[in-house]
Amino acid sequence: SQTIHQWPATLVQPVGSPLSLECTVEGTSNPNLYWYRQAAGRGLQLLFYSVGIGQISSEVPQNLSASRPQDRQFILSSKKLLLSDSGFYLCAGYQGTEQFFGPGTRLTVL
Amino acid sequence: GENVEQHPSTLSVQEGDSAVIKCTYSDSASNYFPWYKQELGKRPQLIIDIRSNVGEKKDQRIAVTLNKTAKHFSLHITETQPEDSAVYFCAARPWGTGFQKLVFGTGTRLLVSP
Repeated sequence: SQTIHQWPATLVQPVGSPLSLECTVEGTSNPNLYWYRQAAGRGLQLLFYSVGIGQISSEVPQNLSASRPQDRQFILSSKKLLLSDSGFYLCAGYQGTEQFFGPGTRLTVL
Repeated sequence: GENVEQHPSTLSVQEGDSAVIKCTYSDSASNYFPWYKQELGKRPQLIIDIRSNVGEKKDQRIAVTLNKTAKHFSLHITETQPEDSAVYFCAARPWGTGFQKLVFGTGTRLLVSP
């Protein structure tokens, strides 16, 4: 079965600093991967998805970007964080028909 | 594109009561409807799903019903317990292979009081 790892688990960053969140997947090859953000007390907002290396689709315009440098690696980045970037960031994949999530990264921007 | 609406946003029940959460969707091409449970600080986890070729599916105290004509589906939890307290999300997407985007509702916070 597949496992999604996310790094780091928690992060506190100042406004204007850069960001790099990593997602890695085990147990599969060529997965479709997704980045979601969940603001405090809110729903799941799809940010990016990727169907393969170097292929990124953005769902909403924002201060963030994503990259897929390797088959099982998906990275979320920002050059300058905003207060509104705070939230719980979830990487997700599919196992069969089920979308499943990694453990998440809780980001606080101060 | 698909739009999923979910109600209520919060739901408080007494232990042992039933809880019902309702969702509507807009895209008639959607035919796969999962429900996720998210405990505080944790990742969402799939608890039950239904495909459009059935109208109801049950798993112990949890059931999901689907009305394709009306484009709505519901989660039913019977004999609620305090450990059912969590945020529940519905979602919808077209069934099939290849990339298919899952569209989530805005979530329902369920509180079960002892």
